Amino acid sequence: DTGVSQDPRHKITKRGQNVTFRCDPISEHNRLYWYRQTLGQGPEFLTYFQNEAQLEKSRLLSDRFSAERPKGSFSTLEIQRTEQGDSAMYLCASSRQGKEKLFFGSGTQLSVL
Amino acid sequence: LAKTTQPISMDSYEGQEVNITCSHNNIATNDYITWYQQFPSQGPRFIIQGYKTKVTNEVASLFIPADRKSSTLSLPRVSLSDTAVYYCLVGRGMNSGYSTLTFGKGTMLLVSP
Repeated sequence: DTGVSQDPRHKITKRGQNVTFRCDPISEHNRLYWYRQTLGQGPEFLTYFQNEAQLEKSRLLSDRFSAERPKGSFSTLEIQRTEQGDSAMYLCASSRQGKEKLFFGSGTQLSVL
Repeated sequence: LAKTTQPISMDSYEGQEVNITCSHNNIATNDYITWYQQFPSQGPRFIIQGYKTKVTNEVASLFIPADRKSSTLSLPRVSLSDTAVYYCLVGRGMNSGYSTLTFGKGTMLLVSP
């Protein structure tokens, strides 16, 4: 069990640029989640995959956000035309189906200047 | 999804037992209660999960009364390293359809020497 891995750990970008984050879940986990967390708040759910199928998206996920999990393994989260309000920690988690125990990565800290 | 209410912060001293109570009045029949711990710049870490009565593991105990409208996380003999934010979550249980777990603001526990 190597844990959930996220890359990069930190990303600084200018407003209007596109950014992409990667998440590698624990290998035998078929569920993958993306959360966003701002300072002083708990993580907010963004989207959820079971294998390669994206089963739920939060209303927080505007059309500038897109997530994929093409082969049911790693996932990417892309933010287009970034805004300063997108600055946050983006967390990825994974779990086995039927188990509500989520394993989180260390997150990607995004700063939009 | 059931909304949870926790104290914003708690203070304790090393060696004391700490009890953090979470209210979840609208918990559904098949919802489980899960607690996570989060340190700065890290993703949340699973502590304990339960459905009813009492659950104990190597780090904590979880007490759930019969009406399940609240739960109490008990940390025995806390140390400085237990200083963290603790989140109570209520979500769908095993063998259900897809699920999302909603984090509130959590309880900031500060342990002093």
